[in-house]
Amino acid sequence: QKEVEQNSGPLSVPEGAIASLNCTYSDQGSQSFFWYRQYSGKSPELIMFIYSNGDKEDGRFTAQLNKASQYVSLLIRDSQPSDSATYLCAVNIRSSNTGKLIFGQGTTLQVKP
Amino acid sequence: EAQVTQNPRYLITVTGKKLTVTCSQNMNHEYMSWYRQDPGLGLRQIYYSMNVEVTDKGDVPEGYKVSRKEKRNFPLILESPSPNQTSLYFCASSLSVQGFVGAFFGQGTRLTVV
Repeated sequence: QKEVEQNSGPLSVPEGAIASLNCTYSDQGSQSFFWYRQYSGKSPELIMFIYSNGDKEDGRFTAQLNKASQYVSLLIRDSQPSDSATYLCAVNIRSSNTGKLIFGQGTTLQVKP
Repeated sequence: EAQVTQNPRYLITVTGKKLTVTCSQNMNHEYMSWYRQDPGLGLRQIYYSMNVEVTDKGDVPEGYKVSRKEKRNFPLILESPSPNQTSLYFCASSLSVQGFVGAFFGQGTRLTVV
């Protein structure tokens, strides 16, 4: 089992819809969770981070964390064609005081006009 | 402008010829890290540094070395490159480990070892 798993997609949604991206992780001691966006040929860009169970909202983005079920998700409301990219989930395993970061393989999102 | 600068952006080299990829950040960040990105394997952490003179292995450190002699620079050294190190490499930095790990990524270095 991979430490951080994402469905590679592509996930296709119409413009204006809600895109839901999911990520599961295997290490129960994981404490910090991050979502990155990566456009083709570009470097990853941090868009959200979350530490506590529940929801965290930032503009059109909402990160959701459920430690008991070991999953973290990213919701993108009012999806725009400019949101089309690969979304990477990253987990800081074992302790939030270490710098070891494990990435999922990423989910490709396509937002169709 | 706040940035992480990697050099070179593209490099083709031969097996066994030592090379260094430089990484520099101008944000006074404590944390820096190196990753490689390969199709089907995603981003994998090579080494990271939580402060000057403090480095630790990530998931795929074999064949790589790093040093952190000053806060702004974190070079990646391949002592004897091999073709399986052909990859896209990213350097990243953040203010601290908690909350902003890898917040700023460099532009990437595409390395080909023949």
